[in-house]
Amino acid sequence: SAVISQKPSRDICQRGTSLTIQCQVDSQVTMMFWYRQQPGQSLTLIATANQGSEATYESGFVIDKFPISRPNLTFSTLTVSNMSPEDSSIYLCSATQQGTGDGYTFGSGTRLTVV
Amino acid sequence: QKEVEQNSGPLSVPEGAIASLNCTYSDRGSQSFFWYRQYSGKSPELIMFIYSNGDKEDGRFTAQLNKASQYVSLLIRDSQPSDSATYLCAVLRSGTYKYIFGTGTRLKVLA
Repeated sequence: SAVISQKPSRDICQRGTSLTIQCQVDSQVTMMFWYRQQPGQSLTLIATANQGSEATYESGFVIDKFPISRPNLTFSTLTVSNMSPEDSSIYLCSATQQGTGDGYTFGSGTRLTVV
Repeated sequence: QKEVEQNSGPLSVPEGAIASLNCTYSDRGSQSFFWYRQYSGKSPELIMFIYSNGDKEDGRFTAQLNKASQYVSLLIRDSQPSDSATYLCAVLRSGTYKYIFGTGTRLKVLA
């Protein structure tokens, strides 16, 4: 399965600023996703990162707040914009090969604290 | 109703016992089911996946699927303290490649 490098691993940010999280996969993958995991909670899907086109967002998440890029089949970024303390969370990228059905691989996560 | 439901626990079992973790889902069209283990401060790692009704065994782990009743379970035999973690059930939403996760069950294996 693919190996995903995610960075930064953690950051403390001032409210009102933005943070961009990067995910690099060691092989080409068809599907990449971004999740959020708030303290003590499970994973909530933010969006599907589509290569060469706009991301597809889940209900409650919008592009202005969480712009996503996916310029190729191995790389994606998630930006958390105009941050507030409510954005403090762990953000995870994941990847899978379409059609294999054998589960996601996750990046190591980014622990974001907004002060 | 949540798409994927799990008892949050904690579920405490003595070392060497069988731990039984359960999950129910609402989407009758779902065909693929996954169990992930997540240690505190770490990202989830895939333990098992199951597509067909019945049991699937892999070492000390057995996944069980009953599509008619819409539940999937994970049995861990000979539980070890190193199995202490949160176990997440994930269901592939029908017609998509999106995995929907339950809230997870925290397992404690007592030495």
